[in-house]
Amino acid sequence: QKEVEQNSGPLSVPEGAIASLNCTYSDRGSQSFFWYRQYSGKSPELIMFIYSNGDKEDGRFTAQLNKASQYVSLLIRDSQPSDSATYLCAVAVTGGGNKLTFGTGTQLKVEL
Amino acid sequence: DVKVTQSSRYLVKRTGEKVFLECVQDMDHENMFWYRQDPGLGLRLIYFSYDVKMKEKGDIPEGYSVSREKKERFSLILESASTNQTSMYLCASHLSRGLVNSPLHFGNGTRLTVT
Repeated sequence: QKEVEQNSGPLSVPEGAIASLNCTYSDRGSQSFFWYRQYSGKSPELIMFIYSNGDKEDGRFTAQLNKASQYVSLLIRDSQPSDSATYLCAVAVTGGGNKLTFGTGTQLKVEL
Repeated sequence: DVKVTQSSRYLVKRTGEKVFLECVQDMDHENMFWYRQDPGLGLRLIYFSYDVKMKEKGDIPEGYSVSREKKERFSLILESASTNQTSMYLCASHLSRGLVNSPLHFGNGTRLTVT
């Protein structure tokens, strides 16, 4: 079982809709969770992080964490074509110091 | 703004060559990392370093070594390049305060092709 799992997609949503990206992780001691966006041919850039159960909002983005279910998600409201990218979920695992373990990413396509 | 600079954007090397990938960061970050990224496999950690002259193996260190002689520079070395090391290589760094307080910053990547 992979440590961090994501559906590879592509996930297609119409412009203006809510995009929902999901991620599960296997290490119950994982403490902090990160969402990165990666445009084709570019390096990943941090969108937001979360470490407490519940929701965390930043503009059009909302991260949701449920540690009991080992599940973290990213919601993108009012999706724009510029949101089309691959979204990487990353987890800082227990005892891993400052290392991140990444999922394989979900490709999001926002269609006009 | 933090800048993580990788010396080459594209490299083409022959099987058996010794290859050096260089990474420099300009923000006095303690922690530096080398990842490789492959379709369907995502980002995988090769090696990392928490301090000068210090290195630790990541998840896939075989066939690689690293060098950190100065705080700002972290080099990835392929001792004898093989075709299965064709990949996108990403360097990253951050402060040692913890990932929540100091996010990981990536370089632009080096796309290495081994023929």
